[in-house]
Amino acid sequence: GNSVTQMEGPVTLSEEAFLTINCTYTATGYPSLFWYVQYPGEGLQLLLKATKADDKGSNKGFEATYRKETTSFHLEKGSVQVSDSAVYFCALIGMDSSYKLIFGSGTRLLVRP
Amino acid sequence: EADIYQTPRYLVIGTGKKITLECSQTMGHDKMYWYQQDPGMELHLIHYSYGVNSTEKGDLSSESTVSRIRTEHFPLTLESARPSHTSQYLCASSEAKFGYTFGSGTRLTVV
Repeated sequence: GNSVTQMEGPVTLSEEAFLTINCTYTATGYPSLFWYVQYPGEGLQLLLKATKADDKGSNKGFEATYRKETTSFHLEKGSVQVSDSAVYFCALIGMDSSYKLIFGSGTRLLVRP
Repeated sequence: EADIYQTPRYLVIGTGKKITLECSQTMGHDKMYWYQQDPGMELHLIHYSYGVNSTEKGDLSSESTVSRIRTEHFPLTLESARPSHTSQYLCASSEAKFGYTFGSGTRLTVV
């Protein structure tokens, strides 16, 4: 079945540091891939997405590239801010007809001033 | 503005009470979902619907029930709340494979 694996947290960084959160997936064909962010006490917000191989999703300085050859969708940001502190979820929707969004376990990011 | 709304945001209730968590969306999406989020952050799909009068159980067994009488409304009901139901409940809707839109969640505490 479809699944998503992402790096365990928490990830603790100083402000302006480079961020990478690793995400790999298992799925047949070409799933759609997503990163969601959850700020404290809130629901999930779509951060970025990519729907085909080599697509790059980007938003708010975050980027992720759909790599079919490595089945990966790693999240990166060149310079994090304290306000980026949140939980980040990698997710996919498979090519079957279920339209179910399959989540990774989430990675908590803490950015210190 | 198109959006998805959950009420209440926070609920503290006694054991044995019946509760209904409300979820409404204004986007006209056919597909709607309920997720349960445990304190360890993991998200578990407990119910979904692909349209009016269509409801299915998700991947995690839940004692809750749902209904879909109108496209925009997807309430979740617990007939008799227990402390084990304490969790955050997130509602979402989607259009095909373009990703889900989530509500702000309901944090339920059963005492």
